[in-house]
Amino acid sequence: EAQVTQNPRYLITVTGKKLTVTCSQNMNHEYMSWYRQDPGLGLRQIYYSMNVEVTDKGDVPEGYKVSRKEKRNFPLILESPSPNQTSLYFCASGKTTSPLHFGNGTRLTVT
Amino acid sequence: GESVGLHLPTLSVQEGDNSIINCAYSNSASDYFIWYKQESGKGPQFIIDIRSNMDKRQGQRVTVLLNKTVKHLSLQIAATQPGDSAVYFCAENIGGQAGTALIFGKGTTLSVSS
Repeated sequence: EAQVTQNPRYLITVTGKKLTVTCSQNMNHEYMSWYRQDPGLGLRQIYYSMNVEVTDKGDVPEGYKVSRKEKRNFPLILESPSPNQTSLYFCASGKTTSPLHFGNGTRLTVT
Repeated sequence: GESVGLHLPTLSVQEGDNSIINCAYSNSASDYFIWYKQESGKGPQFIIDIRSNMDKRQGQRVTVLLNKTVKHLSLQIAATQPGDSAVYFCAENIGGQAGTALIFGKGTTLSVSS
C-alpha cells in the first residue's frame, strides 16, 4: 500500500530534550516536506526537500532541522524543543507534478 | 489563503443535500489548486485538483470550479453523506513545481446530519 509513515504518533517531552520524528514513504517520490498544524493558523511548511541531499527552508524553519540522506526518509529533528513547538506535525511526499500524500500526523507536546 | 468574506469556517448540511465549500486564493500567478479532506486523527487526503488553464473539473461526486477573474475556488459535493464530515482545505501552488510552495487555506468544517 502506498503510504507516508510517521513515527511516533504521539510524543510528550520536556524542554531542551532532543527528539527526532521519522518519516518514510514507499512511493519513490522525489519531493518531501514537513508541516505543522496549529488552531487558527492552518498548515505551515517547516522544511522541504526536492531530492536526496537537497533541503530548503519553508515558512517556519526556526528550531527545526531535517536531513535527506535517502530518498524514502526525511526525519524532522528538534535539537532543543520548546513549548511553542507543541503542535501537530505532518510529513508529506509527492512527485513534483502531482498532489502531496500526507502521513497521519505526530502530535507533539513540549512541557 | 482564504479571505474572510468568502470563507465559512463551518458548514452544516443534511444528508443528501449538495454542499458547496468556497475558498479565495491570494496569488494571481498561482497555477495549480488542490482540495484536501482531513478527517479527525488523520492527515489531509487529496480529493481533486485543477490547473489554472481549466475552470472546471469533475470527479466522483465532487466538482471543483475555478474563477481566476475573482481568484475564487469552490468544491461542490453532490448528495453529501455522513462520511463526508471532515475539514476541507484548499491549497494554491505559488511555486514553479507543484507542491513546492503550497499555501493552505484555514479550512472549512463540514458537518453532515442524517
